Amino acid sequence: NAGVMQNPRHLVRRRGQEARLRCSPMKGHSHVYWYRQLPEEGLKFMVYLQKENIIDESGMPKERFSAEFPKEGPSILRIQQVVRGDSAAYFCASSHGQGATNEKLFFGSGTQLSVL
Amino acid sequence: GQNIDQPTEMTATEGAIVQINCTYQTSGFNGLFWYQQHAGEAPTFLSYNVLDGLEEKGRFSSFLSRSKGYSYLLLKELQMKDSASYLCATGGGNKLTFGTGTQLKVEL
Repeated sequence: NAGVMQNPRHLVRRRGQEARLRCSPMKGHSHVYWYRQLPEEGLKFMVYLQKENIIDESGMPKERFSAEFPKEGPSILRIQQVVRGDSAAYFCASSHGQGATNEKLFFGSGTQLSVL
Repeated sequence: GQNIDQPTEMTATEGAIVQINCTYQTSGFNGLFWYQQHAGEAPTFLSYNVLDGLEEKGRFSSFLSRSKGYSYLLLKELQMKDSASYLCATGGGNKLTFGTGTQLKVEL
């Protein structure tokens, strides 16, 4: 009974490259959330997706960042032309029902992105 | 918007009791969560309060006062493995807003 699966666990990119982070939600969950965590800081909401729909992307930078959750396959967070400031832990979470604020989230182990 | 405030760090002794406080201001409120996060690991759910009062679950209890915008997490019979960051989170609508977390260090 797999939980939320994220890969890769660690990702190293040089400035200007693209980073692709993958997240498979828990079985039966169709709601996915991406959060970013910097050292000594809390989790910052980025985007909330349901299958084939972006519901709320208010926390995601307008440029270089995009997210998708296709009908088949994992959710992808894509960062184009990475910069050093993108270095952080990126966590994916999923929930069964609608509305993260009254239902607990299940988190993946995160992807640690390091930009050289 | 949401604003959540909790202490940055706390230290307590093994076997003791510790209370981690959280105050919040939120434009919408659908409940308050506590998560535990060990270094380098995923946050894991501890508790959820939507009504005022105390919710007890084993060694962990969580309290909520909606009128005061206040919650606390109470950990009893502390163990070394309880050393972790404790995140308070709340929100309305689609997203949970997390505090910066309280780093708890349990010492012998």
